[in-house]
Amino acid sequence: EDQVTQSPEALRLQEGESSSLNCSYTVSGLRGLFWYRQDPGKGPEFLFTLYSAGEEKEKERLKATLTKKESFLHITAPKPEDSATYLCAVTPSDYKLSFGAGTTVTVRA
Amino acid sequence: NAGVTQTPKFQVLKTGQSMTLQCAQDMNHNSMYWYRQDPGMGLRLIYYSASEGTTDKGEVPNGYNVSRLNKREFSLRLESAAPSQTSVYFCASSDMGQRKRAQHFGDGTRLSIL
Repeated sequence: EDQVTQSPEALRLQEGESSSLNCSYTVSGLRGLFWYRQDPGKGPEFLFTLYSAGEEKEKERLKATLTKKESFLHITAPKPEDSATYLCAVTPSDYKLSFGAGTTVTVRA
Repeated sequence: NAGVTQTPKFQVLKTGQSMTLQCAQDMNHNSMYWYRQDPGMGLRLIYYSASEGTTDKGEVPNGYNVSRLNKREFSLRLESAAPSQTSVYFCASSDMGQRKRAQHFGDGTRLSIL
């Protein structure tokens, strides 16, 4: 059975304090790993797709990396507007996403 | 550009009542999905429609039915609501499965069943 585990559950950062979120997965035949951002009361917003080990993608202060067993979302010099829940998901087939429970990030000014 | 629109945004039902949640997308996507999100459990797939005219069960389909009305619209029906179905329901759409395109989500329907 596909499993996605995100850690930590919650992360409190000072503005400018860089950190990383972890997403570990077990899936039969990975076809993609997705990162989403979710703000309170909103739906998930797509950030990145990673397809193969060694791949990296960046967007503003966020950088996602992928190995054969896990992915990291690095937040560099975060700002309060980076506060959100970050969701990781894997796709073992064309039409199914298996989501982790998310990491809630709070950035204090 | 609206993207994925869900109605209603909030709803309170009594046990045993029925209800249909509506979803429409304006991105000309082929595939549509229904998820539920519960605290500490992440998003779980209820049903999906790979293309117009097809629907398939996801991880947690019991107690739900779906209809792919046309390419734009995908509805979720609760025939006899139960308290265990209290949740936030999200609709999503994508093109070409997920191989090249990410899923785009609506802002959810918050459903409470008393």
